[in-house]
Amino acid sequence: GAVVSQHPSRVICKSGTSVKIECRSLDFQATTMFWYRQFPKQSLMLMATSNEGSKATYEQGVEKDKFLINHASLTLSTLTVTSAHPEDSSFYICSATYTVPFIGYTFGSGTRLTVV
Amino acid sequence: AQTVTQSQPEMSVQEAETVTLSCTYDTSESDYYLFWYKQPPSRQMILVIRQEAYKQQNATENRFSVNFQKAAKSFSLKISDSQLGDAAMYFCAYRSRGSQGNLIFGKGTKLSVKP
Repeated sequence: GAVVSQHPSRVICKSGTSVKIECRSLDFQATTMFWYRQFPKQSLMLMATSNEGSKATYEQGVEKDKFLINHASLTLSTLTVTSAHPEDSSFYICSATYTVPFIGYTFGSGTRLTVV
Repeated sequence: AQTVTQSQPEMSVQEAETVTLSCTYDTSESDYYLFWYKQPPSRQMILVIRQEAYKQQNATENRFSVNFQKAAKSFSLKISDSQLGDAAMYFCAYRSRGSQGNLIFGKGTKLSVKP
């Protein structure tokens, strides 16, 4: 089946540094990638949607300059948390889909980011 | 805007018994998809079952089945012969057929399975 590889699974960084999270679709071409943030015991909150070759569309309240999303190819999307602060500590999940025709969603395994 | 409501924050079931998780949604659209996802402690999102709104027949996947009531905008998940491995967070989700494709999630139901 469709697989999305997300790395790293865990990362600890110092406040003020940047962290890059990668999601790769291994056996299909992901025309659209979704990035979610999940707080403990809560649901997934959509941060942004990216289509290959286009600028990402951010949800209201999500700082586009802090959370940089790149989707330069049909198999790779990255989320860079810039100038990270402790409040950015969270669980980040990507989800890929091929929208035409719609085949479903494949989720990455998530990245736990801790900013110290 | 579409919304998804899961009114049961937590549920518990005895091993081998049956449990039903509730989900209601609000939409003005006639064509859409509905999903149930499972998120175990590993936090990997796993698709449990999917329903297309234009299909009247309720989807089933082995021990998992749904009761899709389109007029009532209800989409409940029934888990039969519950197993310890079924313990997880369960999220109900909605997707418009014609949208760019993002999922709208409910808040989730934490299911515990007692041996």
